[in-house]
Amino acid sequence: GQNIDQPTEMTATEGAIVQINCTYQTSGFNGLFWYQQHAGEAPTFLSYNVLDGLEEKGRFSSFLSRSKGYSYLLLKELQMKDSASYLCAVSDSNYQLIWGAGTKLIIKP
Amino acid sequence: EAQVTQNPRYLITVTGKKLTVTCSQNMNHEYMSWYRQDPGLGLRQIYYSMNVEVTDKGDVPEGYKVSRKEKRNFPLILESPSPNQTSLYFCASSPTGTSGSETQYFGPGTRLLVL
Repeated sequence: GQNIDQPTEMTATEGAIVQINCTYQTSGFNGLFWYQQHAGEAPTFLSYNVLDGLEEKGRFSSFLSRSKGYSYLLLKELQMKDSASYLCAVSDSNYQLIWGAGTKLIIKP
Repeated sequence: EAQVTQNPRYLITVTGKKLTVTCSQNMNHEYMSWYRQDPGLGLRQIYYSMNVEVTDKGDVPEGYKVSRKEKRNFPLILESPSPNQTSLYFCASSPTGTSGSETQYFGPGTRLLVL
């Protein structure tokens, strides 16, 4: 079966760095997405990786290792507004998105 | 403004009373999809549509129907709602659904409570 695992919840301090991991087992791979979702709101796109390596976009970076079925989202200089759930999703062989359950990130002052 | 809209945003209903949640996008996207989101389970796909008059089941289609008569609209129909369909529902769209790199654009969500 297809499966995506990410931690349920993480806590970090304002101004610090946090890494959210995602491991996946899917039938085919056409890229991995990270979305941000604030409570009660719609998910919004953060990043897309299809090749191995690190993609940096401002305070957010996303890493992919296809051979290990592994990705992480790195958030630097954490701000209170970064408190949200972070969803990992993989595009499978049919271009359908397989979603992880999400990681709830709590930022403390 | 490019967007996906859903109505209603909040709905309380009773078991067995048919309801429809509308979804509309103004980006001329071919691909549209419905998800439900429940605590601890993440987003689960209900139905999707690759184009007008083409719909397919997702992972949890039981108890739901959809139609795609026009490119912009993709309503979700619950013929006989039950309490286990209480959930947060999202409609999403993307340009074609045939590329791994396509971002999905989500509607604001519909929170449904079935008593």
